[in-house]
Amino acid sequence: AIQLTQSPSSLSASVGDRVTITCRASQGIGSALAWYQQKPGKAPKFLIYDASTLQSGVPSRFSGSGSGTDFTLTISSLQPEDSATYYCQQFNTYPLTFGGGTKVEIK
Amino acid sequence: EVQLVESGGGLVQPGRSLRLSCAASGFTFNNYAIHWVRQAPGKGLEWVSGISWNSGNTGYADSVKGRFTISRDNAKNSLYLQMNSLRAEDTALYYCAKSGRSILKSSTLDYWGQGTLVTVSS
Repeated sequence: AIQLTQSPSSLSASVGDRVTITCRASQGIGSALAWYQQKPGKAPKFLIYDASTLQSGVPSRFSGSGSGTDFTLTISSLQPEDSATYYCQQFNTYPLTFGGGTKVEIK
Repeated sequence: EVQLVESGGGLVQPGRSLRLSCAASGFTFNNYAIHWVRQAPGKGLEWVSGISWNSGNTGYADSVKGRFTISRDNAKNSLYLQMNSLRAEDTALYYCAKSGRSILKSSTLDYWGQGTLVTVSS
């Protein structure tokens, strides 16, 4: 199975900061990567697919980039409502796999 | 509005069985693949199983292969997960998630239910 390694596992940043989360795949997956946001006690929310395409309704401060094995999720100006855990997911090969998650906290 | 509502979770002893259900509404159910994803308490997300629009293709995580069976009833807009030989490590919140595609290939999960909790313990 393809392993996804996210870093950092957690971070704390101030409102307005630029935040970057990385996701590294154990083998090349092209652009077959998605990102999800999960708030405590809630189901995950679909943010980005094909590594960089924003799902409808997702604020433009979120962006994704990368291909092959290295990917990033960027929040250009962190907002209080962005406090959550973020997961990457590869859909290149079965089994579908997720990264371990990055918890984003607001200072 | 897309809605996915899971049910059937509960406390079950190791070795016993449980059947989860997911009732879908707000979209054309038989046009999309659907998946089960679980999350153990305080842990990350783990894909469990998926089924294509017409039940022609199914997939399972190695951790549940041979014990769990996914199925769907398009006439009832419902998805199921039959879980046999349950183990303590199957304890998790089980989510039903809609794919953006009809087939299993290249599945992203664009809508999720709120989950149903399965606890395996004696």
